[in-house]
Amino acid sequence: LAKTTQPISMDSYEGQEVNITCSHNNIATNDYITWYQQFPSQGPRFIIQGYKTKVTNEVASLFIPADRKSSTLSLPRVSLSDTAVYYCLVAAEGSARQLTFGSGTQLTVLP
Amino acid sequence: GAVVSQHPSWVICKSGTSVKIECRSLDFQATTMFWYRQFPKQSLMLMATSNEGSKATYEQGVEKDKFLINHASLTLSTLTVTSAHPEDSSFYICSARKRDRGLGYTFGSGTRLTVV
Repeated sequence: LAKTTQPISMDSYEGQEVNITCSHNNIATNDYITWYQQFPSQGPRFIIQGYKTKVTNEVASLFIPADRKSSTLSLPRVSLSDTAVYYCLVAAEGSARQLTFGSGTQLTVLP
Repeated sequence: GAVVSQHPSWVICKSGTSVKIECRSLDFQATTMFWYRQFPKQSLMLMATSNEGSKATYEQGVEKDKFLINHASLTLSTLTVTSAHPEDSSFYICSARKRDRGLGYTFGSGTRLTVV
């Protein structure tokens, strides 16, 4: 299973763009990169998933360089409600392999 | 969509009793479900993987006789914490994978178990 490394915590202010980078040096060819958000006392919620280059949806963008050894989750114009823990995971498409959670990044958005 | 319902959302039980937590996939069939445990300020730790119609696979250090998992149908998995003790107090979360949806992992809302 590819191990991921993320910053333990980050602080930002409302309205700013936040970029959280995840390192996954031993990512396998068939692994996808997925980001989840977790609020206290709730289950993780899917944010975005990608394989290479850039993926964008209504809440975030995901940037993946050509070597795929890292990825960056970009949250545009964060608000106080974006304060949460963000997890980066890698897993193979179509595999029943369980998701392995790293430490995650505690994002705190300040007023 | 892919919705996973977990029940109850919180439970308080006395030490020595058993507690059952249900995880249901509401709008899809889940061949595989996962159970996680999360202590305060920590990440999710996988406890076991359950496959419909077969025995669960437990992670190292997780007592299978204490944490009974049953996945009798494609939409329901249950986790029973037997003879609960205060150290079993934690946040339990299930996850289900939609059968024909590649990764498709969806998480339940979690169950806060407090053993007194």
